[in-house]
Amino acid sequence: AIQLTQSPSSLSASVGDRVTIACRASQGISSALAWYQQKPGKAPKLLIYDASSLESGVPSRFSGSGSGTDFTLTISSLQPEDFATYSCQQFNSFPLSFGGGTKVEIK
Amino acid sequence: QITLKESGPTLVKPTQTLTLTCTFSGFSLSTTGVGVGWIRQPPGKALEWLALIYWDDDKRYSPSLKSRLTITKDTSKNQVVLTVTNMDPVDTATYYCAHMGEQQLVPTAWFDPWGQGTLVTVSS
Repeated sequence: AIQLTQSPSSLSASVGDRVTIACRASQGISSALAWYQQKPGKAPKLLIYDASSLESGVPSRFSGSGSGTDFTLTISSLQPEDFATYSCQQFNSFPLSFGGGTKVEIK
Repeated sequence: QITLKESGPTLVKPTQTLTLTCTFSGFSLSTTGVGVGWIRQPPGKALEWLALIYWDDDKRYSPSLKSRLTITKDTSKNQVVLTVTNMDPVDTATYYCAHMGEQQLVPTAWFDPWGQGTLVTVSS
């Protein structure tokens, strides 16, 4: 099974900051990676699929990059509504798997 | 607009079987490439994929739980049912169902959108 390791597990940032979250796969997964945003008490929301494709309706300040084993989610200018937990998911092979999550908190 | 909603018991006893129903609208599970998945999240912990079912009745399960899971679909009712046998307190979690779309009739394996989730507590 493919393991996904996210780093950091949490971070503190200010509005306007550039934020980068990493997701590393235990083996190559091509570009078969999605990113989700989850706010407390709510269901996850898809942000990015195929490693870098922005889901319709998601602000352009979100971007994804990477292929193989190393991936990055970047928020170019953090907004108040972006404080949440972000998780990656691989869909290269079964079983599907998620990363442990990165909590983005207000500094 | 695609919506999904999970329903089922909020409290089950250890060793009991959990049956959850996902009722959806805005898409058909008879459409080529479409699927529905189940994911759970223990309080304060990470997401864990459980199972999925595709339009053609192809079913996939998490190997760690495969012996305890069964997923079925009722296309006419727009429902997907997940059963989990032999429930244990460690199975306490919010259970989500989610839509899996298609791209040019090819199944995708990411989840969008998700239902609101239902918290299931396992306790005697």
